[in-house]
Amino acid sequence: AQKVTQAQTEISVVEKEDVTLDCVYETRDTTYYLFWYKQPPSGELVFLIRRNSFDEQNEISGRYSWNFQKSTSSFNFTITASQVVDSAVYFCALSEADNAGNMLTFGGGTRLMVKP
Amino acid sequence: DSGVTQTPKHLITATGQRVTLRCSPRSGDLSVYWYQQSLDQGLQFLIQYYNGEERAKGNILERFSAQQFPDLHSELNLSSLELGDSALYFCASSAQPGGTYNEQFFGPGTRLTVL
Repeated sequence: AQKVTQAQTEISVVEKEDVTLDCVYETRDTTYYLFWYKQPPSGELVFLIRRNSFDEQNEISGRYSWNFQKSTSSFNFTITASQVVDSAVYFCALSEADNAGNMLTFGGGTRLMVKP
Repeated sequence: DSGVTQTPKHLITATGQRVTLRCSPRSGDLSVYWYQQSLDQGLQFLIQYYNGEERAKGNILERFSAQQFPDLHSELNLSSLELGDSALYFCASSAQPGGTYNEQFFGPGTRLTVL
């Protein structure tokens, strides 16, 4: 069965600090997809990134970067020079290619608070 | 804007009542997913429909049911409501039913409060 663990329930940083959100996953499938979503205080789920299991190349998008390591089953998310607008709950999620519907299994989320 | 619409945005009701949540997928998407976000259970998958047929089932209670209509909109029916059913209910849609991954687009959610 698939499982996603976000051990950090809450992180508080001061603006301009770098912060890394951890995500560890479990799956028996060899083909799977990993995601990060952002949920701002307004409540909607905002898609940030998708990664395929066969592509371990790290990705950078502006202040955001993602480190995917299959050897440790981790898909960590780093925000560089954090800003107040980054304050949100961040979810890591997993989808197995073999499951019938590609439903997402979410981690418990990490609440990030960026203080000015 | 993801293109997925959900109504109503907020719903307040009493225990024992029945409510219906509605979702319209993105234009052209045939698959609809329902997720529940509660304080106790976190974000969890409930059920998926593809082109009118149930495709996959998650941790959905027997008091809950869903369907997808010929025009592809979907409804989630929650009955005999309990306090613990208070949650944010998300609908997502994708083009295909599964297999090779298809991105899911999430609606804004319906916040249900059971008093």
